[in-house]
Amino acid sequence: GAGVSQSPRYKVAKRGQDVALRCDPISGHVSLFWYQQALGQGPEFLTYFQNEAQLDKSGLPSDRFFAERPEGSVSTLKIQRTQQEDSAVYLCASSFREGINEQFFGPGTRLTVL
Amino acid sequence: AQRVTQPEKLLSVFKGAPVELKCNYSYSGSPELFWYVQYSRQRLQLLLRHISRESIKGFTADLNKGETSFHLKKPFAQEEDSAMYYCALSQVAGANSKLTFGKGITLSVRP
Repeated sequence: GAGVSQSPRYKVAKRGQDVALRCDPISGHVSLFWYQQALGQGPEFLTYFQNEAQLDKSGLPSDRFFAERPEGSVSTLKIQRTQQEDSAVYLCASSFREGINEQFFGPGTRLTVL
Repeated sequence: AQRVTQPEKLLSVFKGAPVELKCNYSYSGSPELFWYVQYSRQRLQLLLRHISRESIKGFTADLNKGETSFHLKKPFAQEEDSAMYYCALSQVAGANSKLTFGKGITLSVRP
C-alpha cells in the first residue's frame, strides 16, 4: 500500500511569510509525529498526535509553530512569520498504535527561508 | 532528558571489511533502541530494534545497559550498505513514543 506522503516536497519562503506543510499518514495509523531535521543533524521531535488529539507539543520551538490533525488523519504543520532558522527538512511519521514503536517516515518537506 | 550520541560523522571502509557504527545513549528509564537507515534519495526507514534481537541485511546490534551503548555491527560490508545511519531511542510503554535521534553517521563502502 501507499506509504506516508508529504506535500509540498520543496518550499521556498521569504522571511516573514506563513507556510503550511501537509502530511498524509498511512491509512489507519493512529499515531502521527512531526520532526524537524536541520542540515547535518538528526531529526528532532516537534509534536505528536494520537488520532485527532495532540498529546505532546513539547518540541515546537516557538508559538509560531502550530500543528493540527482535525479528523485524525491528515495533519498540517503551520509556521507563521518564517525565519531563516526555520530552514530545515520537516519529516512526518506515522505508526499503527500505541506501544508499537515502528514509525514509518514520509519523504519530508525541505523548507528554505530566504 | 534522553540523549543519543553518535561520536563519528563518517566511516569509510572497503568492501568486505567489518563495520561498527557506535551509539551511546543516556536515559534514566528502560529505553527502546533503534537503528534507522536512509539510502540515497530514499526516506528514513527502520533497520532494526533491540527488542527484536534479529539480524537485518547482516547487521546486528546488542544493547549493553552497563555501557549504555547500542553499536551496529556487520562482519563484511557491502557497497549497497553505503547510507546514512541514525541511532534512536524511545521510552518503552510510554504514552508518547517519540524518537530521540543521534546526529547520524555516513557509511561509505568502497569497492
